[in-house]
Amino acid sequence: EDKVVQSPLSLVVHEGDTVTLNCSYEVTNFRSLLWYKQEKKAPTFLFMLTSSGIEKKSGRLSSILDKKELFSILNITATQTGDSAVYLCAVPPGNAGNMLTFGGGTRLMVKP
Amino acid sequence: DGGITQSPKYLFRKEGQNVTLSCEQNLNHDAMYWYRQDPGQGLRLIYYSQIVNDFQKGDIAEGYSVSREKKESFPLTVTSAQKNPTAFYLCASSPQSTGYAEQYFGPGTRLTVT
Repeated sequence: EDKVVQSPLSLVVHEGDTVTLNCSYEVTNFRSLLWYKQEKKAPTFLFMLTSSGIEKKSGRLSSILDKKELFSILNITATQTGDSAVYLCAVPPGNAGNMLTFGGGTRLMVKP
Repeated sequence: DGGITQSPKYLFRKEGQNVTLSCEQNLNHDAMYWYRQDPGQGLRLIYYSQIVNDFQKGDIAEGYSVSREKKESFPLTVTSAQKNPTAFYLCASSPQSTGYAEQYFGPGTRLTVT
């Protein structure tokens, strides 16, 4: 059974801080790992990672995958209050199909 | 505008009643999914459908049923057999043609059963 574990469960920081969110996974025949941001309702897509060691970057957010150690990290630099959200990590199954197994999420709160 | 719509946003029901949650997409996606989210937790897969007239159970299908008669629509029925139906329900879709798994989510329906 596929498994995704995220840490920490929650995090409180102040604006301007840098945060690192962790996601470890177990899946047979890894295909990809996805990061989503969930504010109030629908999760919105951030990154998809398929190759080890290659950083994906979008503004102050970046993510990297380590296929050997089976984890990914999501970094947010110079945090802003608008970064406050639940960050979800997910993997599809190793066989065909796009249904996702999600981790429990990390709740980030950025204080002014 | 292309996207996924879910209705209603909030739904209140009495225990013992079946209730159907709507999910429609105009993205021309082949695959559609239903997830459940409980407070402070991640998403858990209820049912998914990769093609019209076909669907598969996810991790927590007991007490739920679905249909996929049209490509655009994937309604979820929460039956009275579901022991803890109060939750936030999210519908998603993805283009089956891609080899990867990016999913697009609807705004969700918050169901409260008393």
